[in-house]
Amino acid sequence: GAVVSQHPSRVICKSGTSVKIECRSLDFQATTMFWYRQFPKQSLMLMATSNEGSKATYEQGVEKDKFLINHASLTLSTLTVTSAHPEDSSFYICSARAPSRNTEAFFGQGTRLTVV
Amino acid sequence: AQTVTQSQPEMSVQEAETVTLSCTYDTSESDYYLFWYKQPPSRQMILVIRQEAYKQQNATENRFSVNFQKAAKSFSLKISDSQLGDAAMYFCAYRRLGGTASKLTFGTGTRLQVTL
Repeated sequence: GAVVSQHPSRVICKSGTSVKIECRSLDFQATTMFWYRQFPKQSLMLMATSNEGSKATYEQGVEKDKFLINHASLTLSTLTVTSAHPEDSSFYICSARAPSRNTEAFFGQGTRLTVV
Repeated sequence: AQTVTQSQPEMSVQEAETVTLSCTYDTSESDYYLFWYKQPPSRQMILVIRQEAYKQQNATENRFSVNFQKAAKSFSLKISDSQLGDAAMYFCAYRRLGGTASKLTFGTGTRLQVTL
């Protein structure tokens, strides 16, 4: 099946620093990837849609200058949390759909971000 | 906007028994996809089952089956012969037809406990 790999799985950073999370489609090309945020015991909230070669589309209420998304290749999208604060601590998940199997989405393993 | 509602925050089932998780949704579309995803403690999202709205036949995957009632906009998941490994968060999700950029909308989730 299609595989989406996310790295790192866990990261701790200091307040005010930036942290980058990578999302890779390992065996397919993804023109579109999705970034979600999940708070403890809550559902996945879509943050933005990452589009290869163009600007990401952000959901209402998501600060585009704080959550920078780059989708420079057909297999890699990155989410950079800039000037991180403790309230940015959360679980971040990416997903993508393979063009040949467009029905379901495949998810990365997620990244637990802790800002101290 | 589409919404997905899961009215059962928690459910419990004994091993080998059957449990049904509820999901309702709201949409003005006539064709769409519905999904059930499982999120175990590892937090990796796993597709359990999917249903295309244009198909009248309920989807089945081994011990997992759905009761899709299009007119009522209801999409429940039945787990038969429950196993300890079925313990997880279960999310119902909706997606309209479209290309790889079409977004998933998730419900709030149901936490399933499986007891001996």
